[in-house]
Amino acid sequence: GAGVSQSPSNKVTEKGKDVELRCDPISGHTALYWYRQSLGQGLEFLIYFQGNSAPDKSGLPSDRFSAERTGGSVSTLTIQRTQQEDSAVYLCASSRRWGVRFDEQYFGPGTRLTVT
Amino acid sequence: ILNVEQSPQSLHVQEGDSTNFTCSFPSSNFYALHWYRWETAKSPEALFVMTLNGDEKKKGRISATLNTKEGYSYLYIKGSQPEDSATYLCALPTGTASKLTFGTGTRLQVTL
Repeated sequence: GAGVSQSPSNKVTEKGKDVELRCDPISGHTALYWYRQSLGQGLEFLIYFQGNSAPDKSGLPSDRFSAERTGGSVSTLTIQRTQQEDSAVYLCASSRRWGVRFDEQYFGPGTRLTVT
Repeated sequence: ILNVEQSPQSLHVQEGDSTNFTCSFPSSNFYALHWYRWETAKSPEALFVMTLNGDEKKKGRISATLNTKEGYSYLYIKGSQPEDSATYLCALPTGTASKLTFGTGTRLQVTL
């Protein structure tokens, strides 16, 4: 079956511009997660969706970052007024159930964002 | 903040060698541990989810063990092949959201 897809795969943007990153989770998966890996850093959690609501936004690094999920499916991560420190690989993952610690999270291939 | 550590940071082996790496974590409040393989330009791929002390899991030439009392998991690769070259990540779910806290990974390079 179809896995998690993300678009674009690569995005180069100028400092100060806004960008939108898209995630299509596996159909029927309730939970959706955004992570990112900055250069030289490990994967870090950004935000989590349970259905369309985001009960945990604790990982968003600043108020320039926002995300939404519609129809319990597609999610968009928006970064406003991008800064060079936003350059990273942004990964989306989904899992069948939320809050089940042994449920696998299935990852997309990521969006590599470069801010020049 | 949950501290998940992996060692070594990188590893370079020859085809046919067997190898292993370590994931260390706090032994208190343990629920599960996830192992992932992440090849360049691909999606991280789930290898194992381990939950019980003493768990041993195997997938082909890759296996993993878990010791929750002392807070570590080992990942073993038997007879490494070039296609095993990847970064191997361990992660623990935290909070009610089961968001994953990752180690920094072990980067494995297998050469002919």
